[in-house]
Amino acid sequence: DTGVSQDPRHKITKRGQNVTFRCDPISEHNRLYWYRQTLGQGPEFLTYFQNEAQLEKSRLLSDRFSAERPKGSFSTLEIQRTEQGDSAMYLCASSRGTSGTDEQYFGPGTRLTVT
Amino acid sequence: AQTVTQSQPEMSVQEAETVTLSCTYDTSESDYYLFWYKQPPSRQMILVIRQEAYKQQNATENRFSVNFQKAAKSFSLKISDSQLGDAAMYFCAYRATQGGSEKLVFGKGTKLTVNP
Repeated sequence: DTGVSQDPRHKITKRGQNVTFRCDPISEHNRLYWYRQTLGQGPEFLTYFQNEAQLEKSRLLSDRFSAERPKGSFSTLEIQRTEQGDSAMYLCASSRGTSGTDEQYFGPGTRLTVT
Repeated sequence: AQTVTQSQPEMSVQEAETVTLSCTYDTSESDYYLFWYKQPPSRQMILVIRQEAYKQQNATENRFSVNFQKAAKSFSLKISDSQLGDAAMYFCAYRATQGGSEKLVFGKGTKLTVNP
């Protein structure tokens, strides 16, 4: 069990550029979540997957955001035409998906800075 | 929509002392889950303790315990015998059991400082 990993850990981009983040969940975890955390705030839910199916999306996930989990393993989160308001920590989490109290294991996050 | 409120942006405690972090939430559901997560500086978030709303008994994990008051919609975290390694941001989180939503709803967090 190597934990949830995210890549890159830090990303600096210019406004208008596209960025893509990757998340590798704990192996055999069926559920994968994306959250966004801005300074001084708690994480806010963006979307989640059960295997390869995207089952819920937040209203925060504008049409510039897209997430995939093509084979039910790793996931990618892409932001197109980045804006300064997209600057945040993007957190990925995974869980077994067998019980309501399943722990969500969080990754270290990708810190995005849009200049 | 469910909301979680942490009214203490910052708290401090002396090493070996006890501290209580407050959390209130708003929901119309009768069954749900509540969690406390710890986020150390520059490190990933980890689960501290969890509570199922239908269980009246307060959850305990070693030095960490909760005071769950369902009628008051209150879920406070007590840390006993505080250690330097307890210094972190602490987030209270809510998760519904009905409607299929799997998301955690977090409060804004409380920054805990432990003084030696």
